[in-house]
Amino acid sequence: GQSLEQPSEVTAVEGAIVQINCTYQTSGFYGLSWYQQHDGGAPTFLSYNALDGLEETGRFSSFLSRSDSYGYLLLQELQMKDSASYFCARGANTGFQKLVFGTGTRLLVSP
Amino acid sequence: DAGITQSPRHKVTETGTPVTLRCHQTENHRYMYWYRQDPGHGLRLIHYSYGVKDTDKGEVSDGYSVSRSKTEDFLLTLESATSSQTSVYFCAIGKGNDNSPLHFGNGTRLTVT
Repeated sequence: GQSLEQPSEVTAVEGAIVQINCTYQTSGFYGLSWYQQHDGGAPTFLSYNALDGLEETGRFSSFLSRSDSYGYLLLQELQMKDSASYFCARGANTGFQKLVFGTGTRLLVSP
Repeated sequence: DAGITQSPRHKVTETGTPVTLRCHQTENHRYMYWYRQDPGHGLRLIHYSYGVKDTDKGEVSDGYSVSRSKTEDFLLTLESATSSQTSVYFCAIGKGNDNSPLHFGNGTRLTVT
């Protein structure tokens, strides 16, 4: 199958670090992406991992381990505006950028 | 921001009526997608297009059809709406390779009563 599993909700306080995990089950692999979606808004692209290791973009980092079928999004120095839903996504094994999305993790940042 | 416009933004319709949602892009991207988003399911692909008049089914295509007569427009049609099609529908555009982002429209909230 191509399912991706994420925790449904994560809570943290401002200034903290939080990690959102994503585990996937598939026979093929075409990279792992992360998207952010604020309530009532559109998903927006955060990062993409094609290979194992850490990709850093400002306060956000994304990690991938293909041998473990696992990835995570790391958010540092949390701000209130980071409260949103976060989705991991992977390419389907037929190409065409047909992303399969996880069910999403709702992050709640409190003061 | 990528130029993607979805219309209408909100629609309420009755069971059994046909509904067409429109997605318009100004980025000249070859690939366009329709996703639906429901609580507990994330985003699920309905149909996608890889060129004018070139479309294919996604994960949840039953009850939906699409058309792409021009590069910039991708239409999603519910031939006979059902309550299970109440959802938020997102159009997206992309370059067709996984290492580039998908750009999403602002969504259409459809309620079927």
